[in-house]
Formats: sequence, structure tokens, C-alpha cells
Amino acid sequence: AQSVSQHNHHVILSEAASLELGCNYSYGGTVNLFWYVQYPGQHLQLLLKYFSGDPLVKGIKGFEAEFIKSKFSFNLRKPSVQWSDTAEYFCAVNTGGFKTIFGAGTRLFVKA
Amino acid sequence: NAGVMQNPRHLVRRRGQEARLRCSPMKGHSHVYWYRQLPEEGLKFMVYLQKENIIDESGMPKERFSAEFPKEGPSILRIQQVVRGDSAAYFCASSPSSGTSPGNTIYFGEGSWLTVV
Repeated sequence: AQSVSQHNHHVILSEAASLELGCNYSYGGTVNLFWYVQYPGQHLQLLLKYFSGDPLVKGIKGFEAEFIKSKFSFNLRKPSVQWSDTAEYFCAVNTGGFKTIFGAGTRLFVKA
Repeated sequence: NAGVMQNPRHLVRRRGQEARLRCSPMKGHSHVYWYRQLPEEGLKFMVYLQKENIIDESGMPKERFSAEFPKEGPSILRIQQVVRGDSAAYFCASSPSSGTSPGNTIYFGEGSWLTVV
């Protein structure tokens, strides 16, 4: 069965530090990949998505992610985090059907 | 363009009561999904519906849970005889299409937080 793994459940960074959140999926075929962010008490919002083309995808708020097919990975990055980036981040994969599968999430806390 | 609308945002039920959660998809979206979020467990797929059809309910508990998406009106997730373990955030999402097409991006509502006391 397809699955999504997010390696870090909790990450604590200071402002201006660089961020990289890992995401790996298990599926050998065509995939659509997503990162969602959930601010405290709010719903999930789409940060960025990959369908095809350039494997380096830029999203909102300065986030980007790189799809590395050989590693089945779609890591999320931001060069300099802000306190307002404190949130939970979810990686998600759609493998061609109707079901989008989510990772367990990574909680990021940014110290001011 | 209104997003995915869910209500109620917060619902408190006593054990044994019924909970009904409603979801109106984004305009133009005909695909509705329900996910449950438990602490430290991320989002778990529950059910996928199109108008008047349940396409996949593999994530739904076998008993007490049901979902519908009628021709008219919102999608409803119904939980009968709630238990404390049903306490969670229930998120509805919608998309205009399915499959690996650029249109298959799902958009979430703000969630319904169910607390069973």
C-alpha cells in the first residue's frame, strides 16, 4: 500500500535558521505531490504542489520543495524561517486515484 | 469564491448521542473527501464521495459512521452513538476532478472539532 513518511515529528528552530523537512513516499508510478501547512487552530492550506516538469517547485511564503524521483522524496525547504512559520506541515501524495495520502505531519516551532 | 464550508466548527456531544457534520464543497467541485485528524496521527482518509455516490469508504469505521453527498445540499458525515474515541477534528476537502491531473488538488475546509464528553 502507498504510504508517506515524514521523518521529523517535531522541529525547533530559531528565526532566520534554514529549514528542511523530509518526506518520502512509497510508490513506483506517477505521483502528484503536495505540501500543506496547518497553523494552530486552522485548516490545512496548500503550500505548493508538483505534478510534472521542473522538479524544483516554489510555493507561497518563500517555501520550495524538490522532487527527487530516484529517492522517492519531496523535501520542503525554506532558507530563513520566521516566527510566523510555526505550524504543522503535512506532505501528501496522490498516486492517480481519488485518494490523497498524508504523512503524519511535522510540527515546527520557531523561536523568536 | 467561497472555499470549502464546514459546520459546525465545534460540536460537543455526550456519549451515545449522534453527531452530524456538514460540508459544502467549493463551487464547481464535485468530489468530496472526509479526513479525520487525531493528535499525533496526522490525517486519515475516511471516505470519498461524488454526488449521490460513495466511491470509496475504505477508511470509515465499519459501524456507527456513515456519509452521504446528496444531489442537493451539503455532504454529511454522521456518527451514531458517539464514544470518547470519536473526539477528533474532521476535515472535509473537495476537488474539481480526480486522478493525476493538474486539477486534482484538494482544498480543505476549516474543520469540525468534535468533543465527546
